[in-house]
Amino acid sequence: RKEVEQDPGPFNVPEGATVAFNCTYSNSASQSFFWYRQDCRKEPKLLMSVYSSGNEDGRFTAQLNRASQYISLLIRDSKLSDSATYLCVVNPLYNQGGKLIFGQGTELSVKP
Amino acid sequence: DAGITQSPRHKVTETGTPVTLRCHQTENHRYMYWYRQDPGHGLRLIHYSYGVKDTDKGEVSDGYSVSRSKTEDFLLTLESATSSQTSVYFCAISDPGVAGREQYFGPGTRLTVT
Repeated sequence: RKEVEQDPGPFNVPEGATVAFNCTYSNSASQSFFWYRQDCRKEPKLLMSVYSSGNEDGRFTAQLNRASQYISLLIRDSKLSDSATYLCVVNPLYNQGGKLIFGQGTELSVKP
Repeated sequence: DAGITQSPRHKVTETGTPVTLRCHQTENHRYMYWYRQDPGHGLRLIHYSYGVKDTDKGEVSDGYSVSRSKTEDFLLTLESATSSQTSVYFCAISDPGVAGREQYFGPGTRLTVT
């Protein structure tokens, strides 16, 4: 079982749609969770940190369910510019050096 | 954007030659990381550093070495490049003294080994 698993997609949605991504992680002791966005042939960029209480940033909402060991990202009112790959990232904390474990990413394509 | 640069941005080299990639940061962050990204594998950690002259291996360290003689520079060396090392290489940095925090990435280096 992979440490961090995501549905690879692609998710093809029309502009204005709401889309949700889920991610599961295997290490129940994990403490830090993030969503990154990666555009084609570019570096990953931090989109949101995920907190236990859930957090929202404009059209983006992240949720953490520790009991089920999954993290979600909800994008409302999708824009063409949201087209990218979204990476679920976990710090399992069993390691030293702050190493993060990256999911393989979920590809989103928003169409006009 | 975090102040991270990578050089070169693109490189084509021949099998068997040594190659050094450079990561430079202006943020004074303690932690620095080298990843490679390949289709079907996502981002995989090669080596990381938790301070000047302090480095450790990641999950795919074979064939790679690193050095960090200054806080701002982290070098990745392919001792003898092979075609399997054709990849996109990303450097990342993390907040000083705080392991487990979010990482910020450089623009990447596209390396092709022929």
